Amino acid sequence: GAVVSQHPSWVICKSGTSVKIECRSLDFQATTMFWYRQFPKQSLMLMATSNEGSKATYEQGVEKDKFLINHASLTLSTLTVTSAHPEDSSFYICSAADPPTQYFGPGTRLLVL
Amino acid sequence: GEDVEQSLFLSVREGDSSVINCTYTDSSSTYLYWYKQEPGAGLQLLTYIFSNMDMKQDQRLTVLLNKKDKHLSLRIADTQTGDSAIYFCAERRMNNNDMRFGAGTRLTVKP
Repeated sequence: GAVVSQHPSWVICKSGTSVKIECRSLDFQATTMFWYRQFPKQSLMLMATSNEGSKATYEQGVEKDKFLINHASLTLSTLTVTSAHPEDSSFYICSAADPPTQYFGPGTRLLVL
Repeated sequence: GEDVEQSLFLSVREGDSSVINCTYTDSSSTYLYWYKQEPGAGLQLLTYIFSNMDMKQDQRLTVLLNKKDKHLSLRIADTQTGDSAIYFCAERRMNNNDMRFGAGTRLTVKP
């Protein structure tokens, strides 16, 4: 299957700093990418849908100014967690659409101290 | 309630067959998927089925779809300890770009 990478795989940061997570589709082009958040022992929660060359669509309750998404090319989407707080600590997973499927990255574990 | 429902746990013995069940609510679902998640990892696409099919087989995996009852199942033959993971069922609805996931079924395979 297609490969999606995420970087970094884990990050520890201080409260108040910003963290950028990259999501790349390595062997296919993805017009649409998705960002999910997963809490321990829970399912994936869709945060936003990222479309190349346009603004991301955020799910209800997700602050767009806190979770900045940029989809600058057909193979790269970035999620920036701005002014991170401990409650932002979570497992963030991206996926890239390759219709009719989606391929997922390995996830980024964020710990905010 | 949840759009996609799965039982949370399943335990089987190595060599037995595992059957993971899923129900969904939207009759307009076009594709249904099974993903596997191992600890600390992302989701791995196992297989998917188009809604006009009722069965799909891929090596040890068999997917059955009962569209009338909105019921999807994943059968793993000759289950191995390496199959221990969380299995997510997901649906894609018509005219919708994203997927809706179930809560995941934690499969434990005992030696």
